[in-house]
Amino acid sequence: DTEVTQTPKHLVMGMTNKKSLKCEQHMGHRAMYWYKQKAKKPPELMFVYSYEKLSINESVPSRFSPECPNSSLLNLHLHALQPEDSALYLCASSHHQDPRGGYTFGSGTRLTVV
Amino acid sequence: AQSVTQPDIHITVSEGASLELRCNYSYGATPYLFWYVQSPGQGLQLLLKYFSGDTLVQGIKGFEAEFKRSQSSFNLRKPSVHWSDAAEYFCAVGGFTGGGNKLTFGTGTQLKVEL
Repeated sequence: DTEVTQTPKHLVMGMTNKKSLKCEQHMGHRAMYWYKQKAKKPPELMFVYSYEKLSINESVPSRFSPECPNSSLLNLHLHALQPEDSALYLCASSHHQDPRGGYTFGSGTRLTVV
Repeated sequence: AQSVTQPDIHITVSEGASLELRCNYSYGATPYLFWYVQSPGQGLQLLLKYFSGDTLVQGIKGFEAEFKRSQSSFNLRKPSVHWSDAAEYFCAVGGFTGGGNKLTFGTGTQLKVEL
């Protein structure tokens, strides 16, 4: 299994809602990532988890709350989002310190905040 | 800090013509370099990667890239473009920095293929 699976594929939420994005991989990778991608822009790193511990937080607002419950799962909890948070959210995984294996991306969750 | 520059925002080529997409990187150590392709509304697909050895690397879909340390470049090439190659192409540099493994993307090049 060489895939990273993200659910849901599409999500529409109000500014007062609480929702979660989910990501799962079974490649034995111990680093997992959340990226945010606005239209016609490159992906921007949000969080990095290494061995289920948060290792990088790129100054992301607290309305985004990541969680890594085990080595295969990565969640992104969303609360009180703003319309400008609408974007494609991509999950990725890789080996922990050795990037030579590459980074495998999921197909993303397209989030719309209304 | 690691960074990537893709100087061409848009490129248009005719089907069957050759293609070269430019990428320049900045990285303090040996760079790990990648090219990804993204079709509209889709995730990112890895085309090829370089970390050491032969400076000309082959990837999927007939793409290749050449690493030139003296020019800090990692340009992507294809000898004959197909209409299905129309997409957004991202160059990226990866490495272990700041306590974690980071992949940093360039701004991307939008490829349009004229039939």
